[in-house]
Amino acid sequence: NAGVTQTPKFRVLKTGQSMTLLCAQDMNHEYMYWYRQDPGMGLRLIHYSVGEGTTAKGEVPDGYNVSRLKKQNFLLGLESAAPSQTSVYFCASSYWGIDYGYTFGSGTRLTVV
Amino acid sequence: AQSVTQLGSHVSVSEGALVLLRCNYSSSVPPYLFWYVQYPNQGLQLLLKYTSAATLVKGINGFEAEFKKSETSFHLTKPSAHMSDAAEYFCAVSEQGGGADGLTFGKGTHLIIQP
Repeated sequence: NAGVTQTPKFRVLKTGQSMTLLCAQDMNHEYMYWYRQDPGMGLRLIHYSVGEGTTAKGEVPDGYNVSRLKKQNFLLGLESAAPSQTSVYFCASSYWGIDYGYTFGSGTRLTVV
Repeated sequence: AQSVTQLGSHVSVSEGALVLLRCNYSSSVPPYLFWYVQYPNQGLQLLLKYTSAATLVKGINGFEAEFKKSETSFHLTKPSAHMSDAAEYFCAVSEQGGGADGLTFGKGTHLIIQP
């Protein structure tokens, strides 16, 4: 049982390049999230999804797009990367139930130069 | 809107001393509260979560937290610090538990353990 898997783990982009971060979960969770972590800022929610085919904006959505075509996958796209998007990105999934909880991936460290 | 304030971006304690990490929250509804730990270059690990069943919540690695509604607090404690406790700690709140709103995190507290 892999939980939440993020690919890639590291990436260096040049300003203006595009890329897609992939998040995959094998727990049949309904909800999925993308966060970014910056020093001294904690984790901030970028976008989230409450089910297959749905997406919604979080606290810091500008410059990012997302898609949830399959329940198990949640993609985060950067169309034109900027140095301000240098960060560590975490994906998470969750479910609503008696023993609710959130499961986090191990993160993707992105540097934009 | 929900929010979390963690008092002290850095906390330093001696090995064997009491660890106290402070967290205050703001929520318009009864909150669901969490503490996570992050070791260097790793992901987030759940320490404990408040489920409204009991105000004193026990977690892993000897940590516990007490929910105090009157003080809107959920401070994390450990009676005796160990060198392995050195890490970043995050308090988080959700208004829907494991639901659609995700987690709102505090900015984190870096715990330093002095030998």
